[in-house]
Amino acid sequence: EAGVTQFPSHSVIEKGQTVTLRCDPISGHDNLYWYRRVMGKEIKFLLHFVKESKQDESGMPNNRFLAERTGGTYSTLKVQPAELEDSGVYFCASSFRVDEKLFFGSGTQLSVL
Amino acid sequence: GESVGLHLPTLSVQEGDNSIINCAYSNSASDYFIWYKQESGKGPQFIIDIRSNMDKRQGQRVTVLLNKTVKHLSLQIAATQPGDSAVYFCAEKNQGGKLIFGQGTELSVKP
Repeated sequence: EAGVTQFPSHSVIEKGQTVTLRCDPISGHDNLYWYRRVMGKEIKFLLHFVKESKQDESGMPNNRFLAERTGGTYSTLKVQPAELEDSGVYFCASSFRVDEKLFFGSGTQLSVL
Repeated sequence: GESVGLHLPTLSVQEGDNSIINCAYSNSASDYFIWYKQESGKGPQFIIDIRSNMDKRQGQRVTVLLNKTVKHLSLQIAATQPGDSAVYFCAEKNQGGKLIFGQGTELSVKP
């Protein structure tokens, strides 16, 4: 069974540019989460999809971040325009049910210069 | 607000020794805790979990202890191996499924 896959694994962009991260959850997992780890700090929650609906987006830092999950399958996280403080590792995770363990992808390392 | 924290950012142990990684949490209503291991270039990997109706749970070479009185949990790794080198995170999972992570402890295993 394929795990959670994320693309790209690394992205280096300049301040002001746009970047789109993609996450493919495990097939059949309705719950999809985005997290990020900035500068070696703790991993912080960004948002939670249940199928195509945003269940909780309380962790989204500001309106430069837009997450979508059209059709309830894969998800994208767009940062526009990117700022220096957006640099970090963005993780996606999925689970079949809310009360079950999360499976994480390998993350996208985003560097904004 | 809720917070989960680890006592030490780094821990160095000799191969074969036991490792103990500690974590404190602030929300006394928390009822589900998980330990994750993150190796370089990989995402967090589930190690072991524990619910608040237990104070100890054992896995293969790992044990999690939960002390609800002082809101503290620990991860013990027996006979630590070089492959155990990684960053370890404790996390609390709330009712909505959201994980609240601590800052992580980097475990280094010396041969």
